[in-house]
Amino acid sequence: AQKVTQAQTEISVVEKEDVTLDCVYETRDTTYYLFWYKQPPSGELVFLIRRNSFDEQNEISGRYSWNFQKSTSSFNFTITASQVVDSAVYFCALRIVPDKLIFGTGTRLQVFP
Amino acid sequence: EPEVTQTPSHQVTQMGQEVILRCVPISNHLYFYWYRQILGQKVEFLVSFYNNEISEKSEIFDDQFSVERPDGSNFTLKIRSTKLEDSAMYFCASSEASQDSNQPQHFGDGTRLSIL
Repeated sequence: AQKVTQAQTEISVVEKEDVTLDCVYETRDTTYYLFWYKQPPSGELVFLIRRNSFDEQNEISGRYSWNFQKSTSSFNFTITASQVVDSAVYFCALRIVPDKLIFGTGTRLQVFP
Repeated sequence: EPEVTQTPSHQVTQMGQEVILRCVPISNHLYFYWYRQILGQKVEFLVSFYNNEISEKSEIFDDQFSVERPDGSNFTLKIRSTKLEDSAMYFCASSEASQDSNQPQHFGDGTRLSIL
């Protein structure tokens, strides 16, 4: 079965704290792609990062970093020094052949000043 | 930066009426999608479209739904006879190149459909 699990429904932190959002996926495909999207209160879906199943190199982009581990089927997302503007719902998604995204249930992150 | 455009941003319709949601994908993109998100829930795949035909559709995409690319720029989702449970945010997305690449799907801002 193809599935994405985001066990954390909601996380609250105070500004400047680091926070990690967990994502665990299931697929039998050997080739697949993983994505993170951000949905701010305004409702749009903003693409953040993609990873393919052959690339386990972790990535850092400013305050964002991603940890992809095939051995545990996880693709976790860390925000360092969180800011109020990071408050949003974050979705992890799995792209499978032929071509659709399977989304997790999302993690609502609230960053308080 | 090019973006996916959806109109209208909010559509209110009486139950049983037909509704058409419109999308203008990014111009050089070849793959088009519709997703929906019922309030407070996760985003669900509806349909993918390539080369003027449906590539894949979900169980949600029943006979009441149809998609069309009437010209070179628009991509529409029609719901023939709306039901209360069709109330949701509908997202259009597009991606470029091969469906086997890791090209991301870029989403529009969504159309909030409210069925009364």
